[in-house]
Amino acid sequence: AQSVSQHNHHVILSEAASLELGCNYSYGGTVNLFWYVQYPGQHLQLLLKYFSGDPLVKGIKGFEAEFIKSKFSFNLRKPSVQWSDTAEYFCAVIKGNNNDMRFGAGTRLTVKP
Amino acid sequence: NAGVTQTPKFRVLKTGQSMTLLCAQDMNHEYMYWYRQDPGMGLRLIHYSVGEGTTAKGEVPDGYNVSRLKKQNFLLGLESAAPSQTSVYFCASSTGNTIYFGEGSWLTVV
Repeated sequence: AQSVSQHNHHVILSEAASLELGCNYSYGGTVNLFWYVQYPGQHLQLLLKYFSGDPLVKGIKGFEAEFIKSKFSFNLRKPSVQWSDTAEYFCAVIKGNNNDMRFGAGTRLTVKP
Repeated sequence: NAGVTQTPKFRVLKTGQSMTLLCAQDMNHEYMYWYRQDPGMGLRLIHYSVGEGTTAKGEVPDGYNVSRLKKQNFLLGLESAAPSQTSVYFCASSTGNTIYFGEGSWLTVV
């Protein structure tokens, strides 16, 4: 079973639309959570991460994510997307002190100009 | 500061051939990883290492071997390549809380 689930495989939005990408994980206990972005032909870049503290995390390029422990979720949001946000987005989880990072299958975002 | 460097970037192999992918990091990170990325599957962890001389299996270790003889290098070996191993391979290193990725190695097995 997938340990990290991203429910949306492909999302198509117009510029200025709001974005929310879902991420759920199936691990109990302490987790560290990440969102990565992969622009076409490039490697993964870190958007934001959550370890502890404020469950609303702000990242680069106007992205934010909210950790909801009771829902095992870490959804990514952006209030107004741009054409340059077209990319693939990956949620990732590290379980406790395991150092074993697992990724979701990714969500491809297409932003129409 | 080169970060995480993978070689080669592109390679075509015949079924049954062997090869080694090299990953080097210059950030003195303890943890290193090898992932493969396939369409619709995201990144899947092949093997990882929590320090020099140690390795561990990830989600999809079959058909691959790894070695971490030096802290800065993490080698991924394919002893007998199969078409199912056609993929993009990413190496990564970590301080323990943030992972840094290499630029990927495109491997095609024909």
